[in-house]
Amino acid sequence: EVQLLESGGGLVQPGGSLRLSCVASGFTFSGYSMTWVRQAPGKGLEWVSTITDDGGTTYYPDSVKGRFAISRDNSKNTLYLQMNSLRAEDTAMYFCAKLRDDFWGQGTLVTVSS
Amino acid sequence: QAVVTQEPSLTVSPGGTVTLTCDSSTGAVTSGHSPYWFQQKPGQAPRTLIYDTTKKHSWTPARFSGSLLGGKAALILSGARPEDEADYYCLLSYSGVFWVFGGGTKLTVL
Repeated sequence: EVQLLESGGGLVQPGGSLRLSCVASGFTFSGYSMTWVRQAPGKGLEWVSTITDDGGTTYYPDSVKGRFAISRDNSKNTLYLQMNSLRAEDTAMYFCAKLRDDFWGQGTLVTVSS
Repeated sequence: QAVVTQEPSLTVSPGGTVTLTCDSSTGAVTSGHSPYWFQQKPGQAPRTLIYDTTKKHSWTPARFSGSLLGGKAALILSGARPEDEADYYCLLSYSGVFWVFGGGTKLTVL
């Protein structure tokens, strides 16, 4: 059974940092690109970042470029999202996913507030 | 970056047919955008319904289909059921470098 388990969310002050983790099981994690998607409360989905299977290439939208960094440790079947210079508008549920295969975690909530 | 537009809300009668569309501000949507469609019910994570314009997962009900129509990506639901009431999101890939979700369509089956 495929599982994606996110962790690391919580309450952080504006300007602070947080690192999210997503532990994968049930599939060959090292063989696939992985993606972070977020959803602000009551809002739609937003693509946050994608990383290739070997971690060699990463992609970001302008809204997080330069502040967020995606990475992975294939030996630990774990995907990461380092989030720096957090803003109120980064408040959201963060999902890790392998979109093509319909592998989704249940999400971890990040709240940026003073 | 591109803006992807969906109908904010649609209503379909049980047993009826409805088409949800996904438009790109950069021009016609093509298979090169690898359109995805996701279904999300309240309090749940999204699920991938359709990928690469038309491809389905084993769990995707046969009443859902994906296509390109009039320069847009489309999700067609034929024979709507009450359990299809949900939010639907499309996702487009731009040269494999960045991806953009549409704003979502709230589908009511009534």
